[in-house]
Order: sequence, then C-alpha cells, then structure tokens
Amino acid sequence: AQRVTQPEKLLSVFKGAPVELKCNYSYSGSPELFWYVQYSRQRLQLLLRHISRESIKGFTADLNKGETSFHLKKPFAQEEDSAMYYCALSGSNAGNMLTFGGGTRLMVKP
Amino acid sequence: DTGVSQDPRHKITKRGQNVTFRCDPISEHNRLYWYRQTLGQGPEFLTYFQNEAQLEKSRLLSDRFSAERPKGSFSTLEIQRTEQGDSAMYLCASSLIGNEQFFGPGTRLTVL
Repeated sequence: AQRVTQPEKLLSVFKGAPVELKCNYSYSGSPELFWYVQYSRQRLQLLLRHISRESIKGFTADLNKGETSFHLKKPFAQEEDSAMYYCALSGSNAGNMLTFGGGTRLMVKP
Repeated sequence: DTGVSQDPRHKITKRGQNVTFRCDPISEHNRLYWYRQTLGQGPEFLTYFQNEAQLEKSRLLSDRFSAERPKGSFSTLEIQRTEQGDSAMYLCASSLIGNEQFFGPGTRLTVL
C-alpha cells in the first residue's frame, strides 16, 4: 500500500524566512513524487515533480529515498506563497493515480 | 477557457436523492480521473478512464457510485441514494498518458 504523510497541518512563517514543508511517503517500489498547490479560490495545480528537478517560484524538493521523504523548501518566503500545499505520490501503477497527503496550510505573515 | 470544467459547482441535496456531476476534460486528453476530497483531507482517488474505458476503481467507490465516459470525452459521476457521508468536494482531472494531471474546480456536494 502507498501512503503520504504531511505531519504539519499549518505552518506559519514571516516574510523572508525559510520554509520547509515536510512530506514522508511509504511505497515499496520506485515512486514519482509531486507537490501540488492550491491558492485561495483557485484550483489545484502542479507545483513541481521530482523527476524534472526544477525550481518553481523559488521552491525546490529533493527525493530522499533513504528517508522516504520529499520535503518542499524555499529559502525566503513571500506573502504570495500563502496557500495549501499537497504532497502526492504516483506508484508504478499503469494509471498514474495520485495518492495525496493531508495537506499543509502555509501562512506567510508580513 | 481550455481548462478542465465541472458542473455544477455546488449541489445541495437531501439524503436518499440521486445526483449526477459532469466533467469536461481538456480537449484531446485521453485520461480522466475522479477524486473525492473531504474537509481537512487531501484528495482521494475514486476512478479513472483511458478514453472511454474505465480501467480502475477504488474501494471507496461503493455500489451506489457509477461513472461513465461514453465517447471518451466528457464524464459523469452519479451517486445514488446519497448519504450524509457523501458530502465532499468531487474533483475531476485530465491528462495525456504519463503526463501532468490538470484539475477542475470541483463540485461541492452537501447532503442534508
């Protein structure tokens, strides 16, 4: 069975502070990991995926297979980063269905 | 707007009634997914289609739920004899095979 855990429901930081949103997963094979973001009154959208190894809006995430983690990081938070963030996993299933974590609400205070 | 669309955006119904939701995917996306999201939780997979074929169903999809994608374009999700526990946001997503899933705005169902 595959599972994604986001231990923090809420993370509150000040503008300019570093941010780390935690994500741990359990999966027996080689997963593909994603971060999705949902801004206020907008639909869920892909932020980044581990295979692309990109930095999007200043965010990065590294897949650590030893610790089964895929934490999302940004060195300097901006107020516009305030949103719900979901970590998701796609296993080796043919359908690429996503298993999501419970989400973390990031609040960046001015 | 060429994104995924869902209709209706909100639905309030009484327990025991049937409801049907519609999802229009991005044109030419051959995969279409349904997810359900309850308050404070992340989305949970329900079922998916590749073209018109329904290839996988979650254990969450009880016998009261049925989904179709008759022509490989839009899809409908029907819930029969709704229960209060069915209250949730129902999300639709579409993709090309192996590519990013694009989500719709969701249909919020409230069962009284």
